[in-house]
Amino acid sequence: DAGVIQSPRHEVTEMGQEVTLRCKPISGHNSLFWYRQTMMRGLELLIYFNNNVPIDDSGMPEDRFSAKMPNASFSTLKIQPSEPRDSAVYFCASSLAGGNIQYFGAGTRLSVL
Amino acid sequence: KQEVTQIPAALSVPEGENLVLNCSFTDSAIYNLQWFRQDPGKGLTSLLLIQSSQREQTSGRLNASLDKSSGRSTLYIAASQPGDSATYLCAPSWGGFQKLVFGTGTRLLVSP
Repeated sequence: DAGVIQSPRHEVTEMGQEVTLRCKPISGHNSLFWYRQTMMRGLELLIYFNNNVPIDDSGMPEDRFSAKMPNASFSTLKIQPSEPRDSAVYFCASSLAGGNIQYFGAGTRLSVL
Repeated sequence: KQEVTQIPAALSVPEGENLVLNCSFTDSAIYNLQWFRQDPGKGLTSLLLIQSSQREQTSGRLNASLDKSSGRSTLYIAASQPGDSATYLCAPSWGGFQKLVFGTGTRLLVSP
């Protein structure tokens, strides 16, 4: 298996633009997680899905952020409108049923100018 | 609020030394705990997973221990190598859906 695949690897955009980050989890995994990593706050869980259903989105910073998982093999994290403080590395991870190892993608480095 | 602290924040050692990285967490009712490694500009790689009922896990030169009652975990690296240089992150989880809370990390540099 190719592992968790994220795209794009790098995204540079201007303030106010819409940004969409994409994730393909490992086939057969039924849990998917979105994280954000910054120097100031470290790694933070934004939202996680179980069987395509959002279970906990308490980490989503504000309404500008939204996440979807239309099927078991694809998820998106959208920021609209983007702001400079959204600049970070966004990671997607997947795992089998709860309690198991999480496998991380390589991340998307987002820069909002 | 659950908090996770890792000590030391950075560590620089010569090749061959045995190392201990420390992790402490404020709420002892964890579900499990994972240790990850992160290389610069890369994602995270899971090293070891310890269930709350376990005391330790071993993989090659790595050994992780868990003391739930005191809210502590340690990662022991034997005979360190330059390839071990990375940031090591501790992540306990609370609740059944593996909601990880990451520590601040220990940045390790092993010199040849």
